Amino acid sequence: RKEVEQDPGPFNVPEGATVAFNCTYSNSASQSFFWYRQDCRKEPKLLMSVYSSGNEDGRFTAQLNRASQYISLLIRDSKLSDSATYLCVVNDPPYNTDKLIFGTGTRLQVFP
Amino acid sequence: DAEITQSPRHKITETGRQVTLACHQTWNHNNMFWYRQDLGHGLRLIHYSYGVQDTNKGEVSDGYSVSRSNTEDLPLTLESAASSQTSVYFCASSEGTNTEAFFGQGTRLTVV
Repeated sequence: RKEVEQDPGPFNVPEGATVAFNCTYSNSASQSFFWYRQDCRKEPKLLMSVYSSGNEDGRFTAQLNRASQYISLLIRDSKLSDSATYLCVVNDPPYNTDKLIFGTGTRLQVFP
Repeated sequence: DAEITQSPRHKITETGRQVTLACHQTWNHNNMFWYRQDLGHGLRLIHYSYGVQDTNKGEVSDGYSVSRSNTEDLPLTLESAASSQTSVYFCASSEGTNTEAFFGQGTRLTVV
């Protein structure tokens, strides 16, 4: 089983739609969770951290479910500029808490 | 502004040659990482370092080495380049646990 698993997509959605991505992780001791965004042929950049109580940043909402070991990302009112690959990232305790494990990414394509 | 830079951005080399990819960060971060990204595999960790003189193997370290003689640099060396090492390589740095990792722009390496 992969340490971090994501549906590769692509998710093709019209502008204005709401779309959600899920990600599962295997290490129950993981403590840090993130969503990164990667545009084609570019480096990954942090979109948002994911906190235990869930958190929101504008149109983006992240949730964590520790019991089921998954995190989610909800994008409301999709924009063309949201088209990218979204990477789920978790840390790797207990000995390597600063090491980040990346999922393979979920590709989102927003069309007019 | 602090940044992380990789060089070269593109390189073509022949099988069997030794190649070194440079990574330099001005964030003064202790943690530095090298990943490779291939279609279908996402970002895979090659080597990482938690500080000067500290280096650790990641999940795909065979054929690669790193050294950390100062805080700013973590060069990645391919001892004898192989076609299987054709990939996009990303360097990243972070301050510590629960903190954002900043990525360089990537090096596209082709081994012919």
